[in-house]
Amino acid sequence: NAGVTQTPKFRVLKTGQSMTLLCAQDMNHEYMYWYRQDPGMGLRLIHYSVGEGTTAKGEVPDGYNVSRLKKQNFLLGLESAAPSQTSVYFCASSEREVWGYNEQFFGPGTRLTVL
Amino acid sequence: TQLLEQSPQFLSIQEGENLTVYCNSSSVFSSLQWYRQEPGEGPVLLVTVVTGGEVKKLKRLTFQFGDARKDSSLHITAAQPGDTGLYLCAVNQMYSGGGADGLTFGKGTHLIIQP
Repeated sequence: NAGVTQTPKFRVLKTGQSMTLLCAQDMNHEYMYWYRQDPGMGLRLIHYSVGEGTTAKGEVPDGYNVSRLKKQNFLLGLESAAPSQTSVYFCASSEREVWGYNEQFFGPGTRLTVL
Repeated sequence: TQLLEQSPQFLSIQEGENLTVYCNSSSVFSSLQWYRQEPGEGPVLLVTVVTGGEVKKLKRLTFQFGDARKDSSLHITAAQPGDTGLYLCAVNQMYSGGGADGLTFGKGTHLIIQP
């Protein structure tokens, strides 16, 4: 099992460009998440999905869109990149929660720089 | 206001020493998780604590959940260079429109164990 994989690992964009980050998991998990990690801010939830065809907003959703067309994939899109979106992006997945919590499995991250 | 306050932010000690890091909040939680993140990788779950006063041990790591379920500590005995990393505490956070919980993280403690 590869677990959670993310592509690409690194990307440099110019302001205004668009791109899509791909997350794939092979654990048959229902839930998937996108986080961003910034120095001094920690990890923050952008969007998440509770199943194929569903998406919902997290703490910092502005400027991002997501899609979950297949259970194993969760896409994060930036329509018009801004320097404030320079960050490391992590995808995670988990099974349905049990007793109000679950273990999230994280991918290795995508380091994005917007010039 | 940060939901989870972690201290210290940075800690550098010699191999063989003991240490404790803290995760504090004014809110009550049904559960709390500790993750470790190594450079260039995503966080990995170490433990979940769910009962006030609960103590869990993972080899040389001891985790405690406060009696009031507002805080937690991580104690490492005889620290090793392999313990170096970013230690994050996290709690489930409900977001509107969902059915799953994303995680809210503290900013973490950067731990360096020098040989």
